[in-house]
Amino acid sequence: EAGVTQFPSHSVIEKGQTVTLRCDPISGHDNLYWYRRVMGKEIKFLLHFVKESKQDESGMPNNRFLAERTGGTYSTLKVQPAELEDSGVYFCASSLGWGAVGANVLTFGAGSRLTVL
Amino acid sequence: SQQGEEDPQALSIQEGENATMNCSYKTSINNLQWYRQNSGRGLVHLILIRSNEREKHSGRLRVTLDTSKKSSSLLITASRAADTASYFCATDGWGNAGKSTFGDGTTLTVKP
Repeated sequence: EAGVTQFPSHSVIEKGQTVTLRCDPISGHDNLYWYRRVMGKEIKFLLHFVKESKQDESGMPNNRFLAERTGGTYSTLKVQPAELEDSGVYFCASSLGWGAVGANVLTFGAGSRLTVL
Repeated sequence: SQQGEEDPQALSIQEGENATMNCSYKTSINNLQWYRQNSGRGLVHLILIRSNEREKHSGRLRVTLDTSKKSSSLLITASRAADTASYFCATDGWGNAGKSTFGDGTTLTVKP
């Protein structure tokens, strides 16, 4: 089966511009998560979707970040306007619905590296 | 300091040697997981150990968990050059399944 795919793999934009990152989870995975790793720091949780609903968005840094998961399939994370401190690697992960065997195990994508100049 | 801190930050060993990485955390957990990240790739799940377990094995990997000390260790035996990667521990709290708290990671270099 295909894994979690993320696009683009690397994006370079200028401060003030907009970037949209996309994540395609594993088919059938209800849970979808966004994490990010800012340079030199730990990987931090951003938010969690269950199907199309935001279950937990407590990690979203501010209102310049908007995540959507229309239809409960792929998800997008938009940063508008981007700031220098937004540079880092944004990871998407998915897992089976809770109650299923292996639901604790997240499958991560390769990440989207964002560089804001 | 952060939940899920790894120690050491960097480790360099020769092929065939064993590598031990440690992780400490601060709050009560439901489970602890170890991930590997090869350069430019995603995080790969290695092993999950639940809070009521003390030791778990998977191939050349051995994970221990000491909840009284809030610490875990990952041992890679008979290391190979292909084990070169960054290793992260991640903890899940009770009722927060999937919302993992990661440490900064340990960068392991295995020299052939």
